[in-house]
Amino acid sequence: GEEVAQTPKHLVRGEGQKAKLYCAPIKGHSYVFWYQQVLKNEFKFLISFQNENVFDETGMPKERFSAKCLPNSPCSLEIQATKLEDSAVYFCASSGLRRGNTEAFFGQGTRLTVV
Amino acid sequence: DAKTTQPNSMESNEEEPVHLPCNHSTISGTDYIHWYRQLPSQGPEYVIHGLTSNVNNRMASLAIAEDRKSSTLILHRATLRDAAVYYCILRDEVTGGSYIPTFGRGTSLIVHP
Repeated sequence: GEEVAQTPKHLVRGEGQKAKLYCAPIKGHSYVFWYQQVLKNEFKFLISFQNENVFDETGMPKERFSAKCLPNSPCSLEIQATKLEDSAVYFCASSGLRRGNTEAFFGQGTRLTVV
Repeated sequence: DAKTTQPNSMESNEEEPVHLPCNHSTISGTDYIHWYRQLPSQGPEYVIHGLTSNVNNRMASLAIAEDRKSSTLILHRATLRDAAVYYCILRDEVTGGSYIPTFGRGTSLIVHP
């Protein structure tokens, strides 16, 4: 497709429950990025993929967060045993090339609320 | 990583031009200057990018200083729909560089009717 599709738009989980978010990048894009936006304006980079390979996971909280991008499937970000502080909007972006002169396209985000 | 600094907020009146500044004094020769904006309750949206020369597209213009240590995003006639947070970021042209779009705090643009 011509846009990055994120599902679901909203997700509510009780503390300790699992949350799974999905992202379908633009067809043909090799790079996928996940971000967490907790406070207004502040983005935290989580992880990036080049096709199905993890490219950079320096921002991922290793204990409870995991992510995958498998062939012919949407990418996913999973949070095991959610905590209140995981409440945020999670954005996915895709990019065709790992080059500075290409733009990244963002999805509309998934708002995760942990109660 | 090269970083950018922007004012926290700016205000404008509808139909007037808006100049949004960005400082990037540690920019490298291979960094492209990108601008994104985030409308309320939406994901970031690409606006424009450039390397050295000024750039124009249907959304905005980008003026880049000769020494490339600063740039200005120009909205020629602000509309209420332009009220958003505007982010100036740097992306490295060279593979292996800082290719990850890294967002600072951005500038919240308020447009008055």
